[in-house]
Amino acid sequence: DIVLTQSPDSLAVSLGERATITCKSSQSVLYSSNNKNYLAWYQQKPGQPPKLLIYWASTRESGVPDRFSGSGSGTDFTLTISSLQAEDVAVYYCHEYYRRTFGQGTKVEIK
Amino acid sequence: QVHLQESGPGLLKPSETLSLTCTVSGGSISGYYWSWIRQPPGKGLEWIAYIHYSGATNYNTSLKSRVTISVDMSKNQFSLKVNSVTAADTAVYYCARHVGDASGGGFDSWGQGTLVTVSS
Repeated sequence: DIVLTQSPDSLAVSLGERATITCKSSQSVLYSSNNKNYLAWYQQKPGQPPKLLIYWASTRESGVPDRFSGSGSGTDFTLTISSLQAEDVAVYYCHEYYRRTFGQGTKVEIK
Repeated sequence: QVHLQESGPGLLKPSETLSLTCTVSGGSISGYYWSWIRQPPGKGLEWIAYIHYSGATNYNTSLKSRVTISVDMSKNQFSLKVNSVTAADTAVYYCARHVGDASGGGFDSWGQGTLVTVSS
């Protein structure tokens, strides 16, 4: 089974500063059939369901602010929030959707 | 804008069967894959199963022996049954729609979730 490990488990960032979350997969999620990385990122606020932010590792979902970006390939991926806003406080999950595995989550707070 | 709504009992006793239904409105269940995902209180997400409107299914291997997913096209609903529940099945249960095919991009629409508690 694929295991996704996120780091850090939590981080505190000042408003307007950059937040970076990494997701490392125990196996490559780049599949040769279509040369795509089967990796998504979600944002989950308290009491709400997860919201899809990024899929195919770097494609932003419609309506997601451009301060959110995804990068990486194979086994190592990054979600970057370029300028943290108060409404970005949440838990963020990476998700490998070929076998449907989730990372353990990273809690983002305001410093 | 598609809307998903979970429904079902919120409290079960150990060994009972969990039964949940997801009603899809604002769009057809046809043409998409649909999943159940759960989240124990304060913990992470676990995919349970998916179904296609055609009836094709796939299950998390760790739960496969106890889980059944089904679809009712006439009601625009799909359902989940989990047999022989224990306290470890206590979680918020979400239904969600796949982007594209079974492995096509994650889940782009989610229900609000329903808390199921297993306790004697």
